[in-house]
Amino acid sequence: AQSVSQHNHHVILSEAASLELGCNYSYGGTVNLFWYVQYPGQHLQLLLKYFSGDPLVKGIKGFEAEFIKSKFSFNLRKPSVQWSDTAEYFCAVNENQAGTALIFGKGTTLSVSS
Amino acid sequence: EPEVTQTPSHQVTQMGQEVILRCVPISNHLYFYWYRQILGQKVEFLVSFYNNEISEKSEIFDDQFSVERPDGSNFTLKIRSTKLEDSAMYFCASSLDSSTDTQYFGPGTRLTVL
Repeated sequence: AQSVSQHNHHVILSEAASLELGCNYSYGGTVNLFWYVQYPGQHLQLLLKYFSGDPLVKGIKGFEAEFIKSKFSFNLRKPSVQWSDTAEYFCAVNENQAGTALIFGKGTTLSVSS
Repeated sequence: EPEVTQTPSHQVTQMGQEVILRCVPISNHLYFYWYRQILGQKVEFLVSFYNNEISEKSEIFDDQFSVERPDGSNFTLKIRSTKLEDSAMYFCASSLDSSTDTQYFGPGTRLTVL
C-alpha cells in the first residue's frame, strides 16, 4: 500500500530563514506528487505538483520542490520564509491515473516568527 | 476563481443519528471525493465518485457511509448511524478528468458526534 512520511512534525523558524520540509513516499509505480498548504482557518490549497518532466517544480509564493526518484523523496523548499507562511503543509501522492485517491502525510506545522 | 463549497461548516449530532454532509463541486469537474481528518491525524481518503458511481473507496467507507449526486450540482455524504469515532473534519474535493489534474478541496465540515 502507498504511504507518505513527513519527518518534521513542527518546524519553528524566524523570518528570512530557509525552509526544507522532508517528504518520502512508498509506491512502486508511476505517481503524481503534491504539496498542499492549509493556512489557519482556510481550506487545503495546492502549492505545487509534480507529474513528469523537470524534477524541480516551482509553485506559488516562492515555494519549490525536488523529486528525487531514487530516494522516493519530494522535499519542499523556500529560500526565505515570511511570517505569512505560518501554516500546515501536507505532502500527498496518488497514482498517475484519473480520479485516484490522494494519500497524505501527517502534515508539518510551520511557525514563522517575525 | 471557482471553489468547492461545503455545508454546513459545523454539524453536531447525537450518536446513532443520520447526518448528510453537502458539497457543491466545481461546475465542470467530473471526479468527486470525500476525505476526512480526525483531530491530530492525517487526512484520509474515503471515496471517489465518477459518472454517477463509486470509482474507488477505502476500507473506512463501510456500509454506514453512502454518497450521492442527487442533482447536477450537489454531492452528498451520508452517515446512516453516527458513532463517536466519526467525529472529524470532512473534506469534499473535485477534479477534472485526467490523471494529472489537481484535486480542489472545500473548506470542510466539522462533524461532532456526542
